Amino acid sequence: EVQLVESGGGLVKPGGSLRLSCAASGFTFSSYSMNWVRQAPGKGLEWVSSISSSSSYIYYADSVKGRFTISRDNAKNSLYLQMNSLRAEDTAVYYCARGSGWYWYWGQGTLVTVSS
Amino acid sequence: QSALTQPASVSGSPGQSITISCTGTSSDVGGYNYVSWYQQHPGKAPKLMIYEVSNRPSGVPDRFSGSKSGNTASLTISGLQAEDEADYYCSSYTSSSTYVFGTGTKVTVL
Repeated sequence: EVQLVESGGGLVKPGGSLRLSCAASGFTFSSYSMNWVRQAPGKGLEWVSSISSSSSYIYYADSVKGRFTISRDNAKNSLYLQMNSLRAEDTAVYYCARGSGWYWYWGQGTLVTVSS
Repeated sequence: QSALTQPASVSGSPGQSITISCTGTSSDVGGYNYVSWYQQHPGKAPKLMIYEVSNRPSGVPDRFSGSKSGNTASLTISGLQAEDEADYYCSSYTSSSTYVFGTGTKVTVL
């Protein structure tokens, strides 16, 4: 069974940093592109970043470019999102999702709250 | 990276058919067949309902169908059921090698 479990969310002050993790199981992690998608409270889905299976290709939404860094460790079956210079508008549930072109599997999400 | 345009809400009675539109540009919806649709119930993670414009994952009822014409994609739910009440989002690959979601549509079963 495919499982994606996010962790690392929490309350952080504006300008602060946070690192999210996504632990994958039930499939060959190193064969799939992975993504981060977020959803602000009461709002719609927003694609954040994608990374190819071997980390050769990495893309970011304009809203996070230069502040967020996506990475993966295929040996540990894990996906990461390093978030720096956090702003109030980054407050959201962050989901990791598997796939390229479409997202077949999603985690349950981890809540990031940016507030003083 | 402007969000794709969806109607804010669509409603229908049980058994009826409804269609949700998703309008983009030639740089996203109109340029690629990587259009997908997601269903999201309150407090839950999104669920893939349609991929590559019109393909249905195993386990998704065949009353869900997808199509595309020009820069607009559509999701049709035939034989609407109470459990179909949820938020629906479209998504598309873009010419910038990024992805964009739609604004979301709340489906209400009357």
